[in-house]
Amino acid sequence: GENVEQHPSTLSVQEGDSAVIKCTYSDSASNYFPWYKQELGKRPQLIIDIRSNVGEKKDQRIAVTLNKTAKHFSLHITETQPEDSAVYFCAARTHPDSWGKLQFGAGTQVVVTP
Amino acid sequence: NAGVTQTPKFRVLKTGQSMTLLCAQDMNHEYMYWYRQDPGMGLRLIHYSVGEGTTAKGEVPDGYNVSRLKKQNFLLGLESAAPSQTSVYFCASSAEGTSGFYEQYFGPGTRLTVT
Repeated sequence: GENVEQHPSTLSVQEGDSAVIKCTYSDSASNYFPWYKQELGKRPQLIIDIRSNVGEKKDQRIAVTLNKTAKHFSLHITETQPEDSAVYFCAARTHPDSWGKLQFGAGTQVVVTP
Repeated sequence: NAGVTQTPKFRVLKTGQSMTLLCAQDMNHEYMYWYRQDPGMGLRLIHYSVGEGTTAKGEVPDGYNVSRLKKQNFLLGLESAAPSQTSVYFCASSAEGTSGFYEQYFGPGTRLTVT
């Protein structure tokens, strides 16, 4: 089945700097790659997603890039703010007929220090 | 819309006790999922359902059972709780979007401790 690896496990950045989280996936048939943000004690919430027919997608200060050949995708957060502190999860949809099942990475704890 | 709700929010069980976690969604979603979240391990799929009356095993199904008697509800049961089942449990639901992709909406979670 699909395997998703996520790095780094923790990331500490100064407010205003950029943060980058990288994920690799194993199943070349995967075609949907969402990113979820989970604040302490809260539920995971979708912040951005990308499909396999797109190389990059931006939404204000966050962007995601996808390299299908290398089977990796990354989350970029620019001009980080304290409210960006959270755990971020990448995920991949395992197969076109997977009933929407997602394989999640282990998560990255992002800490933004003022 | 309440979205996805879960009951209870917290529970402490003794080893060997049983319990049922309830997930409800009011978005008319076909697909529902149960995950467990443990430190450093992300979200792991326990069981899922693709429609009323259907269930299927996920990545870590042992020790759990599920039922989906109504479209809006998905129940997760622990018949004989073990300390290894101490975790935070999240329910999620999704439906096929117009583009064929599935955003999953999560419930608030249930923190379960087994002593």
